[in-house]
Amino acid sequence: QKEVEQNSGPLSVPEGAIASLNCTYSDRGSQSFFWYRQYSGKSPELIMFIYSNGDKEDGRFTAQLNKASQYVSLLIRDSQPSDSATYLCAVSSTGRRALTFGSGTRLQVQP
Amino acid sequence: DTGVSQNPRHKITKRGQNVTFRCDPISEHNRLYWYRQTLGQGPEFLTYFQNEAQLEKSRLLSDRFSAERPKGSFSTLEIQRTEQGDSAMYLCASSHSGTQLYEQYFGPGTRLTVT
Repeated sequence: QKEVEQNSGPLSVPEGAIASLNCTYSDRGSQSFFWYRQYSGKSPELIMFIYSNGDKEDGRFTAQLNKASQYVSLLIRDSQPSDSATYLCAVSSTGRRALTFGSGTRLQVQP
Repeated sequence: DTGVSQNPRHKITKRGQNVTFRCDPISEHNRLYWYRQTLGQGPEFLTYFQNEAQLEKSRLLSDRFSAERPKGSFSTLEIQRTEQGDSAMYLCASSHSGTQLYEQYFGPGTRLTVT
């Protein structure tokens, strides 16, 4: 079992819809959770981070964390074609600074 | 606020040659990380520095790989006797050591191709 699992996609949504991206992790000691966006050929760009159970909103993005279920998600409202990218979920555990990444979910927003 | 910079952006080398990459972190960040990313995968952690001290190394970092951060500012990653399996994007990230500030910001990466 991978430490951080994501559906590889592609996840295809129409422009203006809500895109829902999911991630599960295996280490119950994980404390910090991050979403990165990566365009093809570019480096990852941090878009959201969450440390506590519940929801965290920033503009069109909402991160949701459920530590009991070991589940973190990213919602993108009013999806735009420019949101088309690979979204990477990353997790850090107690006492470690290294991030463990999932393989990413490719999102396609159809105009 | 200048972001993380990496040089070179692209490197093509022949198998068996040595290569060195440089990373300059965000100026006020004292933590620096190296990751490697291959096609279709997420970045994999290689090593981490706090100031000049190398505090964590992945088992992925074989004895052909060495990283330094001599003055706690920029860092170098050297790969000796390169192999075709070393072809990847090498990513550097930095973060601040302040409480609850664990977010890591990535540079543009160095794409290595070993022929």
